[in-house]
Amino acid sequence: EVQLLESGGGLVQPGGSLRLSCAASGFTFSSYAMSWVRQAPGKGLEWVSVISGSGGSTYYADSVKGRFTISRDNSKNRLYLQMNSLRAEDTAVYFCAKLIRSSWSGNSNWFDPWGQGTLVTVSS
Amino acid sequence: SYELTQPPSVSVSPGQTARITCSGEALPRENSYWYQQKSGQAPVLVIYEDNKRPSGIPERFSGSSSGTMATLTISGAQVEDEGDYYCYSTDSSNNGVFGGGTKLTVL
Repeated sequence: EVQLLESGGGLVQPGGSLRLSCAASGFTFSSYAMSWVRQAPGKGLEWVSVISGSGGSTYYADSVKGRFTISRDNSKNRLYLQMNSLRAEDTAVYFCAKLIRSSWSGNSNWFDPWGQGTLVTVSS
Repeated sequence: SYELTQPPSVSVSPGQTARITCSGEALPRENSYWYQQKSGQAPVLVIYEDNKRPSGIPERFSGSSSGTMATLTISGAQVEDEGDYYCYSTDSSNNGVFGGGTKLTVL
């Protein structure tokens, strides 16, 4: 059974940094692209970032480009999201999700399954 | 930026058919996907590649796409189908895009 468990969320001041982690199990981690998707309180889903299975390709939403960095450690089956220069509008539950292919290119790719999420609150 | 437009809410009685639409300019060229999210839970895939149903998803869930509109249909909606539904696709720059979500009420 595929399991994804996020951690690292918490309260951080505006301008601060936080590193999220997602522990994966139940599948060959390096064979699949992975993603972060967030959901602000009471709001909809927002795609944040994707990394290919090898880690060689990364993609970001315009709203986080230049501030967030996605990475992975295939030896540890872990996905990461380094978040810098955090803003109040980054407050959200952050979900990690497994894609069905090793690369991100093309539309025939989707998120399944998702972890339960970790809450990031940016506030002074 | 590219947008997928969904109605904010849909309400049906138990046993009726619920239809949730998703409008987007790129949908004639790009596949659509649908996620169900119940309160406090992670999203769950219910339809992929416009009209395919993952294993474990009840047959009452179906999807279709025509022109710039994708539609999720729940035939004979049940109370346990209540929740938020999100369509998903990609834009011309290969960025992921979610619709704003539709709250389905079955009562």
